[in-house]
Amino acid sequence: ILNVEQSPQSLHVQEGDSTNFTCSFPSSNFYALHWYRWETAKSPEALFVMTLNGDEKKKGRISATLNTKEGYSYLYIKGSQPEDSATYLCAFTLNTGNQFYFGTGTSLTVIP
Amino acid sequence: ETGVTQTPRHLVMGMTNKKSLKCEQHLGHNAMYWYKQSAKKPLELMFVYNFKEQTENNSVPSRFSPECPNSSHLFLHLHTLQPEDSALYLCASSQGGQGGNNEKLFFGSGTQLSVL
Repeated sequence: ILNVEQSPQSLHVQEGDSTNFTCSFPSSNFYALHWYRWETAKSPEALFVMTLNGDEKKKGRISATLNTKEGYSYLYIKGSQPEDSATYLCAFTLNTGNQFYFGTGTSLTVIP
Repeated sequence: ETGVTQTPRHLVMGMTNKKSLKCEQHLGHNAMYWYKQSAKKPLELMFVYNFKEQTENNSVPSRFSPECPNSSHLFLHLHTLQPEDSALYLCASSQGGQGGNNEKLFFGSGTQLSVL
């Protein structure tokens, strides 16, 4: 079993605050790291897919970084808004097969 | 809309019932997945079909039986389930291919299953 650890489990921030979460994964046989946003009563939605060590991706106020050598990725949200409230999942894939290994997610609540 | 549709959204069944979950994708993808989401646990892969061939079966009990008649449709047939099988069942699809996976998963909204 390949463990993906996400921290913190949950987070409450005030509107306008910036925040970040961590995803830790095994670094051997790594292929790609995925971030998904899962809003209540909706489908998980892909945010980023990263493959290269040092990669950094940005989408509006959300960005992510990747360190494949030490096995971690950070997701940053700048100036949190209530609509950012969701569970943020990370998953990694190996260089063989179709298996995605998911973490348990970080639940973010942005308080207006 | 993600392009992946799951039915039904909610299902309540007894332990002796037989029911099926349906998933359909309109994205032209070749890989389809069944995931199980239990409370406080990570998304757990159940089955993967790649070009209609089952490529992963994560030691799922035989009371869950998948079927993939074509690249656009995926079913999960359920029979003699246990109360601990109550969970959210998510279908997903991706472009598909051989080895490694940097393709995004596109998820359906899930079926919330309760087994009484």
